[in-house]
Amino acid sequence: ETGVTQTPRHLVMGMTNKKSLKCEQHLGHNAMYWYKQSAKKPLELMFVYSLEERVENNSVPSRFSPECPNSSHLFLHLHTLQPEDSALYLCASSQDTDNYGYTFGSGTRLTVV
Amino acid sequence: DQQVKQNSPSLSVQEGRISILNCDYTNSMFDYFLWYKKYPAEGPTFLISISSIKDKNEDGRFTVFLNKSAKHLSLHIVPSQPGDSAVYFCAASALRYRDDKIIFGKGTRLHILP
Repeated sequence: ETGVTQTPRHLVMGMTNKKSLKCEQHLGHNAMYWYKQSAKKPLELMFVYSLEERVENNSVPSRFSPECPNSSHLFLHLHTLQPEDSALYLCASSQDTDNYGYTFGSGTRLTVV
Repeated sequence: DQQVKQNSPSLSVQEGRISILNCDYTNSMFDYFLWYKKYPAEGPTFLISISSIKDKNEDGRFTVFLNKSAKHLSLHIVPSQPGDSAVYFCAASALRYRDDKIIFGKGTRLHILP
């Protein structure tokens, strides 16, 4: 248990489905992140939330919609995804000035069929 | 353009020997560097970090060296153990610019041979 919990661990969805990924942390961190890890690619930062406000969106397609209702929870809503969206989606959190690195969740393995 | 490069996709090392994982970066604004370890089907876990004010940081079997002039850092694991077999990600951040974003390399898969 890393302190950052992601659910579900695995998700298979069709291209017309709507699903949501959930991330939860009770570390007292102020920033939360969504990352995407595809095969043979570096981790890609998707969204950054600081104090519940989105501070960065790295040109992510609108079929991915994040939501941060409070500092402990982060969602990634998925709608009409493509097969190439299949990947490991990682959530992370940190203190803004945390010098000990980020804490990652275990990820959600998403397969789009 | 990759700002953090791990040029070796994989590395095999005999158990008990030293493992050396290398990482190069291009952005001179980076001032904080991290290594993460990742097992299959799990998220990366933080391993060790180093600030640009230092050139070495040691934690048990793990030591990270930073050569700012060469924009190069390395992770040394000694002695290597079977449980060290994993993918290792090098990452960098520009904390002094209040940039929380961290940039990861593609990772190096380390195999510890019996």
